[in-house]
Amino acid sequence: QQKVQQSPESLIVPEGGMASLNCTSSDRNVDYFWWYRQHSGKSPKMLMSIFSNGEKEEGRFTVHLNKASLHTSLHIRDSQPSDSALYLCAALNTGNYKYVFGAGTRLKVIA
Amino acid sequence: DPKIIQKPKYLVAVTGSEKILICEQYLGHNAMYWYRQSAKKPLEFMFSYSYQKLMDNQTASSRFQPQSSKKNHLDLQITALKPDDSATYFCASSQPGPSNERLFFGHGTKLSVL
Repeated sequence: QQKVQQSPESLIVPEGGMASLNCTSSDRNVDYFWWYRQHSGKSPKMLMSIFSNGEKEEGRFTVHLNKASLHTSLHIRDSQPSDSALYLCAALNTGNYKYVFGAGTRLKVIA
Repeated sequence: DPKIIQKPKYLVAVTGSEKILICEQYLGHNAMYWYRQSAKKPLEFMFSYSYQKLMDNQTASSRFQPQSSKKNHLDLQITALKPDDSATYFCASSQPGPSNERLFFGHGTKLSVL
């Protein structure tokens, strides 16, 4: 069964620090990856997407993708307390069109 | 202005009863989904529909039945409710295609079964 593994399970970083989150898919047919952020009591909201090898930067957020290893990472620089949330990695196999989510990394940014 | 409307936002039910969770999306998407999230389990795929047809079902129990009366509606009927069904149920939609491919989520229905 298609699985998405995320690490670490939880992460504490100081305000202004760098947070690094990892995600790997076990499905060789995954085509696309996303990172979603879910604040407590809210629904997941897409943060960034990455569909091809390499790096993509948007403000304080950078994602990397290595399609050969099916590994993506999210890096948050200058972390803010408002970044404290559950970060979910999602992968899509366009063959069966099922979005599969990892268990998430719970990030806490302390002032 | 929410584009995916889920009703109700909170729901309390007794064990053994039946409930229907409502979902309507106004994004013009052709694909709709149900996901479930609880403290015990991460965000879990349940069903996917495309053009009102069931594409995938990962729910082992037949107590969960999706119902699509219109292209932009995907309700979820749950029968013989159990305390273990307590979770937040998220409806989502997407428009398959090479660009702008992503899942949009509703705000969720938080179900508590007593």
